[in-house]
Parts: sequence; C-alpha cells; structure tokens
Amino acid sequence: DQQVKQNSPSLSVQEGRISILNCDYTNSMFDYFLWYKKYPAEGPTFLISISSIRDKNEDGRFTVFLNKSAKHLSLHIVPSQPGDSAVYFCAASVTGNQFYFGTGTSLTVIP
Amino acid sequence: DAGVTQSPTHLIKTRGQHVTLRCSPISGHKSVSWYQQVLGQGPQFIFQYYEKEERGRGNFPDRFSARQFPNYSSELNVNALLLGDSALYLCASSPARFGEQYFGPGTRLTVT
Repeated sequence: DQQVKQNSPSLSVQEGRISILNCDYTNSMFDYFLWYKKYPAEGPTFLISISSIRDKNEDGRFTVFLNKSAKHLSLHIVPSQPGDSAVYFCAASVTGNQFYFGTGTSLTVIP
Repeated sequence: DAGVTQSPTHLIKTRGQHVTLRCSPISGHKSVSWYQQVLGQGPQFIFQYYEKEERGRGNFPDRFSARQFPNYSSELNVNALLLGDSALYLCASSPARFGEQYFGPGTRLTVT
C-alpha cells in the first residue's frame, strides 16, 4: 500500500518560471516531511523539510507547503533553473526516522 | 567534509548467494538507515540503526540483516539472494535518531 503518492511522473517548465511538485499522503499520523532531489547515478540529495506544526518552510528558491487537512504537500521552485532538472522525491514519517517515499516526479527545466 | 560513502559501487551475484554491503556515515553522524530502491519506485525503508542498536525495521524478510559498528559504520547483509533483490541499495546517515537523512550514492546489486 503506497502511503505517499506523487501522481505526476513528469513535469516540464520553462527556465525562470515556477515549478510546483505535488505529493499526497494517506497516513494522518505523518508529522515530518522531506523533499529530495536525485540525479542519475547519485543518491538523493536533501532539499528541505517541514514538520506538521508548520504550514510553510522556505530555503532560498525552494518553498514547501503543507496542507494537513488535505494530506497534501507541495514543493515550489522559483525561479526554475536548468540545473534543477532531476527526479524529486517527497518522503514522510511518523517518528522522524522511518521514512516512506513517493515514486518521484521527473522535472525538466527547459532553457 | 566527506559525505556518506558506500561500497562496493556495483555488484553482481547469483541466486542463492550471500552479499554484504558497507556504509560509512558522515563524520559525527550516529544514525544509519538502509533503503532499497527498485527501478521506477522510491526508496523503501529496510533498517535504521542508532547508537549501534536497531531502531526501526521495514517490511523485509529475515534474509535481510544489518549491524552498526562502534565507529558508526554499518553493514547490510542479504542471504539466499533472489532475482527480486536486484536493486539500488542506499545508505543514509543523520546526526540524531530523528530528522533529515543524508544519502550515499548507493550500491547497485544485480542478481542473476
């Protein structure tokens, strides 16, 4: 049973525009969420986190929004750059140690 | 500073064999977690070790085992390999038991 879902396998965005990556989860006990970026032949790189006591967290060009009632989180990248082209994974946890990952969204930023 | 390192990078084994994968965490990190990633899927949690004790276990058979050493490095062992064990095995470390995890490049295991 997939507890974390990323329903868009791929996304294409023009350079300079906003990229919005979405993630839905089913377990209402999840209280800590992470976003990772993954290039081919590399391990996932940590981007940003958010705990359930917040609904927004920013770090530079990256902002994560959490809507607990909808069990939905999103990652906004503004402005998008060609180097942002990668696969993005969201991950969720109840305890902050065992993380459940989505299946990923492949982002392509077109120059 | 060195990131998480894993060895070997690639490995080819035959069904029924045993494999040992190794991981060295970021210096100062006391927690190591193992994940399995099959093609087209996200990483799936296998184990977490913190301060040399198992702190979490995912839904994997007993053929999978792990341990953490006094220097916080870790080994993942898989016995009686099956074709379905072919995957990228990722190790992640974190400074504490809870919080964001930092991944290594992974070990690509192919079982033939």
